Amino acid sequence: QVQLVESGGGVVQPGRSLRLSCAASGFTFSYYAMHWVRQAPGKGLEWVAILSYDGINKFYADSVKGRFTISRDNSRNTLFLQMDSLRSEDTAVYYCARRGGAAMSRLPGPFDYWGQGTLVTVSS
Amino acid sequence: QSALTQPASVSGSPGQSITISCTGTSSDVGGYNYVSWYQQHPGKAPKLMIYEVSYRPSGVSNRFSGSKSGNTASLEISGLQAEDEADYYCSAYAIDNTYVFGTGTKVTVL
Repeated sequence: QVQLVESGGGVVQPGRSLRLSCAASGFTFSYYAMHWVRQAPGKGLEWVAILSYDGINKFYADSVKGRFTISRDNSRNTLFLQMDSLRSEDTAVYYCARRGGAAMSRLPGPFDYWGQGTLVTVSS
Repeated sequence: QSALTQPASVSGSPGQSITISCTGTSSDVGGYNYVSWYQQHPGKAPKLMIYEVSYRPSGVSNRFSGSKSGNTASLEISGLQAEDEADYYCSAYAIDNTYVFGTGTKVTVL
């Protein structure tokens, strides 16, 4: 079965960096685009970024553009989110999610499988 | 990239039907049929309930249905059950290759 497991969250000071990982299993990881989505405590969902199945196309929310970098290692079935210049407003649970739909497609698609999330707290 | 607008809360009695609206613009909800809906119970990850406006993934009850008219999408839950009490979010693909979520709706089963 599809499984996504995030890791790397923790407490970090404003202005510092953190790298999240998402280990995928149960499907051919290299065939699917992947997303990061976050949820601040008690708040709604916010889309963060998407990376195409081959790592070529990446798009970001305006709120993280220029500070966050999404990447993947298809040989290790792992998705990453490098977060730099962190701010207090980046405090959230970060989920990785698979772009559902046809494999090896660049078309939009739903978030069909989600990980359990990892909490990032930005505080001095 | 403004959040789509959803009512903060909707409630209904067991067995009743409720509808949650999701209003965007012609650049997201109105521009594409890539609207999806998610159910989230407290402390849990979201779960896909509807994709591409009206399609249900395997395993999702047929009590859930989706539709769209212009810039507004809707999720209907019929035969409301206690287990349907949760937060619901819509999401849409947007013109600039990004995605946007709705503000979220808390569904209460009375």
